[in-house]
Amino acid sequence: QKEVEQDPGPLSVPEGAIVSLNCTYSNSAFQYFMWYRQYSRKGPELLMYTYSSGNKEDGRFTAQVDKSSKYISLFIRDSQPSDSATYLCAMSEGAQKLVFGQGTRLTINP
Amino acid sequence: GAVVSQHPSWVICKSGTSVKIECRSLDFQATTMFWYRQFPKQSLMLMATSNEGSKATYEQGVEKDKFLINHASLTLSTLTVTSAHPEDSSFYICSPQDPLAYEQYFGPGTRLTVT
Repeated sequence: QKEVEQDPGPLSVPEGAIVSLNCTYSNSAFQYFMWYRQYSRKGPELLMYTYSSGNKEDGRFTAQVDKSSKYISLFIRDSQPSDSATYLCAMSEGAQKLVFGQGTRLTINP
Repeated sequence: GAVVSQHPSWVICKSGTSVKIECRSLDFQATTMFWYRQFPKQSLMLMATSNEGSKATYEQGVEKDKFLINHASLTLSTLTVTSAHPEDSSFYICSPQDPLAYEQYFGPGTRLTVT
């Protein structure tokens, strides 16, 4: 079993839809949770960063962490074609190496 | 977010030659540098971790004599792929660690093609 599981998709939704992306993990020591967006042939871009459990909102993006269930989510409201990318969840125990999910390929159709 | 640069962004080299990739953190001093490799349609795989002035720590399965990492300063790290082979063709991404933050930022990546 991988430490971090993420459905690779691909996921295709119409423009304006709410997108839900999820990861589960097995290491209860993870404290720091991040979501990255990666366009083709580009480096990952940090979207959201959360410490421990709770919600965090930034514009159209909301990140949720449920440590009791070992489950994290990223919601994208009013999705736009420019949101089409691969979304990677990542987590760490502290200031240490990140453990990544497999990435979910998302396409927003105009 | 942090500003990280990598050079070159794309390089093509012949089999058997060596290639050097530079990574710079432009707005903070990185005491730790992570180097990742990413194959098409796959996630990032950590290759090695280096601390400024120390030898790098390599992940299992990564040949330290093939992938030479130098972290001589707090703003510059280099990855040299020695005696490159076609199977080394990949996307290499650096991630300097800001000691004052837990979030990690990544460089734009370097696409290496070995012919």
